[in-house]
Amino acid sequence: AQKVTQAQTEISVVEKEDVTLDCVYETRDTTYYLFWYKQPPSGELVFLIRRNSFDEQNEISGRYSWNFQKSTSSFNFTITASQVVDSAVYFCALSESYSGGSNYKLTFGKGTLLTVNP
Amino acid sequence: DTGVSQNPRHKITKRGQNVTFRCDPISEHNRLYWYRQTLGQGPEFLTYFQNEAQLEKSRLLSDRFSAERPKGSFSTLEIQRTEQGDSAMYLCASSLFDSYNEQFFGPGTRLTVL
Repeated sequence: AQKVTQAQTEISVVEKEDVTLDCVYETRDTTYYLFWYKQPPSGELVFLIRRNSFDEQNEISGRYSWNFQKSTSSFNFTITASQVVDSAVYFCALSESYSGGSNYKLTFGKGTLLTVNP
Repeated sequence: DTGVSQNPRHKITKRGQNVTFRCDPISEHNRLYWYRQTLGQGPEFLTYFQNEAQLEKSRLLSDRFSAERPKGSFSTLEIQRTEQGDSAMYLCASSLFDSYNEQFFGPGTRLTVL
């Protein structure tokens, strides 16, 4: 069975600090996708990034960067120079392929509440 | 607005009553998903449709829950004889049928069972 663990329940930082959110996953599949979603106080989940299991290149998008390491089954998310608007719950999620060859349901971690204080 | 919409946004009901939620996916998306999120937890998968066919149901979806997607467009999720444990946020998402499965989520329906 697939599982996603986000060990950090809450993180609090001061604006402009860098912060890393950890994500560890378990799966028996060799083909899978990893995701990060942001859930601001308004409640709507916002897609941030998708990574497939064959692409271990790290990715940077503005102040966001992601570090995917298959050897440790981790997909960590770093926010550089955090801002108050980054305050939200962040979820890591895993999607496995099924016999039809396409990914479908997402398995989410419990989320990390990030609070960025001014 | 071309995103996923859900109605109602909030529903308060008494234990034992039936409730129905609606989800309108992004128009060209042929996959539609329902998730449930309780306080302090991540969303949990309930069921999904590819066009009008319901292809999988989670064990979380008891016999009191039923979902439909007539004509492969909007979907409804009905809970019969609601229980206090059904109180949660019910999220709908949609995606295209491809190998990337980027799911776009709606704002959710928050259900409170008194």
